[in-house]
Amino acid sequence: GQNIDQPTEMTATEGAIVQINCTYQTSGFNGLFWYQQHAGEAPTFLSYNVLDGLEEKGRFSSFLSRSKGYSYLLLKELQMKDSASYLCAVSDSNYQLIWGAGTKLIIKP
Amino acid sequence: NAGVTQTPKFQVLKTGQSMTLQCAQDMNHEYMSWYRQDPGMGLRLIHYSVGAGITDQGEVPNGYNVSRSTTEDFPLRLLSAAPSQTSVYFCASSYTSSGANVLTFGAGSRLTVL
Repeated sequence: GQNIDQPTEMTATEGAIVQINCTYQTSGFNGLFWYQQHAGEAPTFLSYNVLDGLEEKGRFSSFLSRSKGYSYLLLKELQMKDSASYLCAVSDSNYQLIWGAGTKLIIKP
Repeated sequence: NAGVTQTPKFQVLKTGQSMTLQCAQDMNHEYMSWYRQDPGMGLRLIHYSVGAGITDQGEVPNGYNVSRSTTEDFPLRLLSAAPSQTSVYFCASSYTSSGANVLTFGAGSRLTVL
C-alpha cells in the first residue's frame, strides 16, 4: 500500500532550527510537496521537490532523497507564527497526491 | 482575485438530510478537487475533475456526488448525511493535474452530522 509517515508533534524554541522528517512508500513518484496549515485554516503551499537535493526558500528549506524515500523540511530562525501543522504529500504515478497526517509544530518562547 | 471560495463555512445537519457544499475558483484552473480532513489522518480525496464535464472518484467517494458544468464551479453533494461524514471539507484547485500541480485551497467547510 501507499504510506506517508511523519512525526505527529514536535516542539522547538523561538529562534532555533527544526527539521521535520517525512518518509514515503508510494506507487511511483512524481514529486513531493510540503504545505503549512495553521489551526482552523486551509493548507498553503511551501515547497516542491522532484529531484534529489536541497531546495532553499528563505528561512525554509526542503530536502529529497528518492532512493531512500525520504524528505525533510528545515525551518530556521523560528518565529512564533511558524506554529502550525506541516503536511507532506507525494504525487504518485497517476499524479494523485498521497498525504501524510501532518506534523504539529509547537514553538515556545 | 478571490482564489477558491467555499460556502458555507459551517453547517450542522441531521442524519439523512442532504446538502451541497459550493466551491468556485476564478483562476481558470482546469483541475478541481474535494478533500476531507479528519483528526489524525491525512487529507483524503473524495472526487476530482480535470476539466468541465469530467469528474472522477477519489479515495473516499461513497455518499458524495459532484458535477463540473463550468470551469469555475465544482459543487459537492451529500446525498443522505451520516455521522461518519462529520469532517472538515476542503475544495482545492490547480492549473494542471500533473507535474508540479500546486494546489490552492478554499478556506474549508466544517460539517457536523448529528
